[in-house]
Amino acid sequence: SQKIEQNSEALNIQEGKTATLTCNYTNYSPAYLQWYRQDPGRGPVFLLLIRENEKEKRKERLKVTFDTTLKQSLFHITASQPADSATYLCALNFGNEKLTFGTGTRLTIIP
Amino acid sequence: DAGITQSPRHKVTETGTPVTLRCHQTENHRYMYWYRQDPGHGLRLIHYSYGVKDTDKGEVSDGYSVSRSKTEDFLLTLESATSSQTSVYFCAITTGQGLTDTQYFGPGTRLTVL
Repeated sequence: SQKIEQNSEALNIQEGKTATLTCNYTNYSPAYLQWYRQDPGRGPVFLLLIRENEKEKRKERLKVTFDTTLKQSLFHITASQPADSATYLCALNFGNEKLTFGTGTRLTIIP
Repeated sequence: DAGITQSPRHKVTETGTPVTLRCHQTENHRYMYWYRQDPGHGLRLIHYSYGVKDTDKGEVSDGYSVSRSKTEDFLLTLESATSSQTSVYFCAITTGQGLTDTQYFGPGTRLTVL
């Protein structure tokens, strides 16, 4: 069965630095991949989507890359701020109506 | 927030009792989903619906049933709750036709089964 791993359960980054989160998957390549942000006690909120034929997507301080050879997506937050502290989830779609989520990385930006 | 509400927001119940969680949307979107979220497991799909009376199972459907008798409501039922069903339950919708759409989540229901 498909397995999705997000690099670490928790990541601490100094304010102003770039935070890089990793999402690795096994077996089949997804049709597309999404990143979500989740704050404590809230539902996930969509951030970015990247398709299998795209290498990179950007939105303001966020950047996502997708390498189907490495079976990996990287999620970058540049000029990180304490308000970026949250749990970040990657989610993969394999060509149907369903998403498969990773377990998430809890990011803390230290002032 | 795509007009999604969940009720109740918190519930404590006893093992063996039936429980129904409700997801309500205000915008007549076709696809609706129920997930559970547990530490170490992330979000896992329980059931989803692609229209009125059209539902399908997700990866963790055992012990759960769903019903969708009208577009705006998607009900999740635990016929006989067990302690392993203690979790946070999220409802989600997509705003398009499902395949490449992002999902919008409700605020969640925290269920405790004693």
